[in-house]
Amino acid sequence: GQNIDQPTEMTATEGAIVQINCTYQTSGFNGLFWYQQHAGEAPTFLSYNVLDGLEEKGRFSSFLSRSKGYSYLLLKELQMKDSASYLCASLDSNYQLIWGAGTKLIIKP
Amino acid sequence: TAGITQAPTSQILAAGRSMTLRCTQDMRHNAMYWYRQDLGLGLRLIHYSNTAGTTGKGEVPDGYSVSRANTDDFPLTLASAVPSQTSVYFCASSDSSSSEAFFGQGTRLTVV
Repeated sequence: GQNIDQPTEMTATEGAIVQINCTYQTSGFNGLFWYQQHAGEAPTFLSYNVLDGLEEKGRFSSFLSRSKGYSYLLLKELQMKDSASYLCASLDSNYQLIWGAGTKLIIKP
Repeated sequence: TAGITQAPTSQILAAGRSMTLRCTQDMRHNAMYWYRQDLGLGLRLIHYSNTAGTTGKGEVPDGYSVSRANTDDFPLTLASAVPSQTSVYFCASSDSSSSEAFFGQGTRLTVV
């Protein structure tokens, strides 16, 4: 079956660094997406990885290892506004997105 | 810029009634999607359309129907609502399946 696993909740301190992990098992693979979703709002795009390695975009970076079925989202210099859910999604062989349940990130001052 | 718009924002619906959730995008995206989001579960695809005139079933299509008469509009219809369809519904669009998806603000539907 198809499965995306990510932690349900994480807590971090303002100004610190946090890494949110995601493992995936999908029928075929055409890339890995990360989205941010603030409570009561729509998801917004953060990153897309299809090749192995790290992609950096400002305070956010995303890493992919296709051989391990593993990705992580790295958030640096955490700000209170980063409190949100972070959704991992894998694009399968039919080009359909399979979504994880999301990781709720709580930032404490 | 409007992007992608859903209506209504929220609705309380009596079981057995029908309802259409509206979705319109002005980005000329080929692909459009309807998801439902329930607490503790990931977004689940209900129906999708890769281009105007075509539609496909997602993971949880039962009880829902869609149409794609033109590029901009992708309405979702519940023919006879049941309480298990209580959820937050998101419409999304993308230029292609491997590109960034843009989401509407969501419709919170409660079936009683």
